[in-house]
Amino acid sequence: GAGVSQSPRYKVAKRGQDVALRCDPISGHVSLFWYQQALGQGPEFLTYFQNEAQLDKSGLPSDRFFAERPEGSVSTLKIQRTQQEDSAVYLCASSSRDRVTGELFFGEGSRLTVL
Amino acid sequence: EDQVTQSPEALRLQEGESSSLNCSYTVSGLRGLFWYRQDPGKGPEFLFTLYSAGEEKEKERLKATLTKKESFLHITAPKPEDSATYLCAVQAGNNNDMRFGAGTRLTVKP
Repeated sequence: GAGVSQSPRYKVAKRGQDVALRCDPISGHVSLFWYQQALGQGPEFLTYFQNEAQLDKSGLPSDRFFAERPEGSVSTLKIQRTQQEDSAVYLCASSSRDRVTGELFFGEGSRLTVL
Repeated sequence: EDQVTQSPEALRLQEGESSSLNCSYTVSGLRGLFWYRQDPGKGPEFLFTLYSAGEEKEKERLKATLTKKESFLHITAPKPEDSATYLCAVQAGNNNDMRFGAGTRLTVKP
């Protein structure tokens, strides 16, 4: 596609439910990142993939958060047993470079609200 | 710990009124400093990368500069369409992530 596509754009979950957020990066992009953005704050790093390999998951806030990119293209961020503090916009970004640079293409994000 | 502080938090300008946004950083081994623009309900859009003190980049009405402690985003004769949140981010050491500031919310009134 022309850009990074994320779905769903909006998700409302009851506390304790599991959610899955999908990211379709720009075709051919090697690197893929997930960020979490709270209201009025800058994005915070969650995890980084190079192709299908998850090279860095140091930003995942708890073991309830899990990300995968099994075929090196589409990625899914899964949050188990959601809590209210998980409410945020989850941003996916991709890059054509196989090393980490700051020139990332971001999707529009998935806004998660946990009630 | 790496820190990025942006000021002011919000800035209101009249169309044509030039100003500057500040990004102060404290990192070990800066690899790059990045400016992004974010419109409401959208993801950040890349603007500039700066790698070393003294470097400058320009794009239309925007000019980014870098020193050893801070970066400025200068906006010359802004237009209402420049209204957005401007985010600064740094990459340091061997980290895979970029650390973002909280952003400056710019409003340009016609």
